Amino acid sequence: AQRVTQPEKLLSVFKGAPVELKCNYSYSGSPELFWYVQYSRQRLQLLLRHISRESIKGFTADLNKGETSFHLKKPFAQEEDSAMYYCALGGTASKLTFGTGTRLQVTL
Amino acid sequence: DTEVTQTPKHLVMGMTNKKSLKCEQHMGHRAMYWYKQKAKKPPELMFVYSYEKLSINESVPSRFSPECPNSSLLNLHLHALQPEDSALYLCASSQGLKWTGGTYGYTFGSGTRLTVV
Repeated sequence: AQRVTQPEKLLSVFKGAPVELKCNYSYSGSPELFWYVQYSRQRLQLLLRHISRESIKGFTADLNKGETSFHLKKPFAQEEDSAMYYCALGGTASKLTFGTGTRLQVTL
Repeated sequence: DTEVTQTPKHLVMGMTNKKSLKCEQHMGHRAMYWYKQKAKKPPELMFVYSYEKLSINESVPSRFSPECPNSSLLNLHLHALQPEDSALYLCASSQGLKWTGGTYGYTFGSGTRLTVV
C-alpha cells in the first residue's frame, strides 16, 4: 500500500520567515514524490518533482529515503505563496496518491 | 496547447438524470485520469486510462462510467447519482504511465463542480 502523510493542516508564517511543509510517505517500492500547489480558485499545479531536483518559485524538496520524507522548504516566505500544498506519491502504474494537504498562510 | 480542458465547469443534476463530464487535452498525452475531490479533502483516484484502455478502476460504483473515445478525449458518464456524489471532479493527463526516469507529473484540469440534488 502507498500512503502519504502531511501532519499539518494549517501552517501560518510571517512574510520573510522560512517555510517547511512536512511530508512523510510509506511505499515498499522505489518512491516518486511530487509537490502540487492549489492557489485560491485555481487548478492543481505541479510544483516540484523529486526526480528533477529543481527549485521552483524558491521552493526546494529533498527526498530522504532513510526518513521516508520529502519536506518542502523555502527560505523566505512571500504573500503569494499562500495556497494549499499537496504532497503526492507516484507508485504502482503511475497511481498518484495525495496527502491530506497543508494550507500555507503567509501574513504580513 | 498545454492545458487540460474540462466541461462543464458546474453541473447540477437530479438523482434520476443522466449526464456526462468531458475532458480534453491536445498535448499528446497517452494516460488520462479521473479524480474526485470533496471539500477540504485531497483528490482521490477513480479511473486511469492508458492508450485509450481502462487501466485502473478504484472500485468506483457503476453509476460512474468512464469512456475514452480517442487519445485526446475522456468522458465520465453519470447516472442515478446520490447527493453524496456531489464533489469536484478532476481530469488529469500525463505523457505515459511510467518511464525509467520516474513517473510523469500530471497536468490537471480545473474540474467540474457537480451538485446532485
